[in-house]
Amino acid sequence: EDQVTQSPEALRLQEGESSSLNCSYTVSGLRGLFWYRQDPGKGPEFLFTLYSAGEEKEKERLKATLTKKESFLHITAPKPEDSATYLCAVQPLIQGAQKLVFGQGTRLTINP
Amino acid sequence: DAGVIQSPRHEVTEMGQEVTLRCKPISGHNSLFWYRQTMMRGLELLIYFNNNVPIDDSGMPEDRFSAKMPNASFSTLKIQPSEPRDSAVYFCASSPIQGSNQPQHFGDGTRLSIL
Repeated sequence: EDQVTQSPEALRLQEGESSSLNCSYTVSGLRGLFWYRQDPGKGPEFLFTLYSAGEEKEKERLKATLTKKESFLHITAPKPEDSATYLCAVQPLIQGAQKLVFGQGTRLTINP
Repeated sequence: DAGVIQSPRHEVTEMGQEVTLRCKPISGHNSLFWYRQTMMRGLELLIYFNNNVPIDDSGMPEDRFSAKMPNASFSTLKIQPSEPRDSAVYFCASSPIQGSNQPQHFGDGTRLSIL
C-alpha cells in the first residue's frame, strides 16, 4: 500500500533558524512527489514537484530534495510568514493514474 | 486568474439532511478531484474525473456519497443522508490532463458540520 509519513508533526523555530522537514514514502513506483503549503482556512498551495532521486528544486527560502525513499524540505533563515502546514504527497506510477497520497503534514511555526 | 471556486465556504446542517457541495475548476483544466480533510485521516482523495468522466471513485466512503460533473466547468459532491461523522473540510482541485503529473490546484474548501 502506498504510504507517506511526515516528521516532525510540529516544529517551532525562531526567525532565522534553519531546519528541515522530512517526508518518507513507500510506493510501488513513483511518478512524482509534490510539496504543498497550507495556511489555516485555505486550500493547499502548490510549491514543488520532484520526479527522480537526486533532483532539487528551490523557491525563495525553500529547497526540496528527493532520494529513493524520502524527500526533505529545507527552510533557510525562515521568516514568520513561512509559518504554515507543509504537506507532502506522492503520485504512484500506475498507468493513467493521477491520484495523490498525502502525508499528515508538518505544522511549522516561526517566532519573530 | 480565477482559481478553483468552491461553494458554500461553510455549511452547518442537521443529521439526515442532504448536503450539496459545488466546485468550479480552473478554466482549461480537464481533471477534477474531490478530497476530504480531517484531523484523524488527513487529506484523502474521494473521487476524480477526466474530461467529465469519473475515473476512480474508490475513495468514496459509502453509497451516501455521490459526485457528478455535468460539464467541464461544474461539479457537485452530494451527501444524502448526512451523518455527524461526515463533518470535515471538503476540497476540490483541478489540473490539466496533459502530462498526468501536472500539479493539482486546490480551492479553499467547504467546512461541513453535521449536527
